[in-house]
Amino acid sequence: DVKVTQSSRYLVKRTGEKVFLECVQDMDHENMFWYRQDPGLGLRLIYFSYDVKMKEKGDIPEGYSVSREKKERFSLILESASTNQTSMYLCASSLPDRTTEAFFGQGTRLTVV
Amino acid sequence: GNSVTQMEGPVTLSEEAFLTINCTYTATGYPSLFWYVQYPGEGLQLLLKATKADDKGSNKGFEATYRKETTSFHLEKGSVQVSDSAVYFCALIPSGGYNKLIFGAGTRLAVHP
Repeated sequence: DVKVTQSSRYLVKRTGEKVFLECVQDMDHENMFWYRQDPGLGLRLIYFSYDVKMKEKGDIPEGYSVSREKKERFSLILESASTNQTSMYLCASSLPDRTTEAFFGQGTRLTVV
Repeated sequence: GNSVTQMEGPVTLSEEAFLTINCTYTATGYPSLFWYVQYPGEGLQLLLKATKADDKGSNKGFEATYRKETTSFHLEKGSVQVSDSAVYFCALIPSGGYNKLIFGAGTRLAVHP
């Protein structure tokens, strides 16, 4: 069974903390994505990676960075967490083929207090 | 730029009613089109897709037809069930560049017995 695994389902962090969200896929996919999901706004792309050590900014990269040192792992980093980063974060992976589906993790609900 | 517009929810239906969720897109060329579904407490999963004009995607009784002339990909089901209650996302992958999934805002469907 194919899998995208996010390290935490729920996280509570304090304002100003550095936060790491981890995502691992077992499908040997080249593409990996981080989205943020907020009610009424759908899924907004934060960053994506099309290969190891390669990354591109999405629509809302401010306040975030990413790391992809190995093909199967894609990390999202909140450099200094703020309350407006309280959200659901979804990781996904896909092949470099625009006709195929993306596979999603279960999501991490992050609360910044 | 590329974008997806979905009808606002929530949509509330009685069991066995007919469902339509409208989706229109803006994109150059011929994007691939997708419907994803998110059941309560779960990540997103692919419901159906269409990768060229006039294609019809179908799955679990749901259907959607890729209409290039109206830039639409409306989701339909003839008879909904309580178990169809979920959030439905229309999405596209543009025809050029990297395979970034671009999502609409999502439509929440609630089906009552």
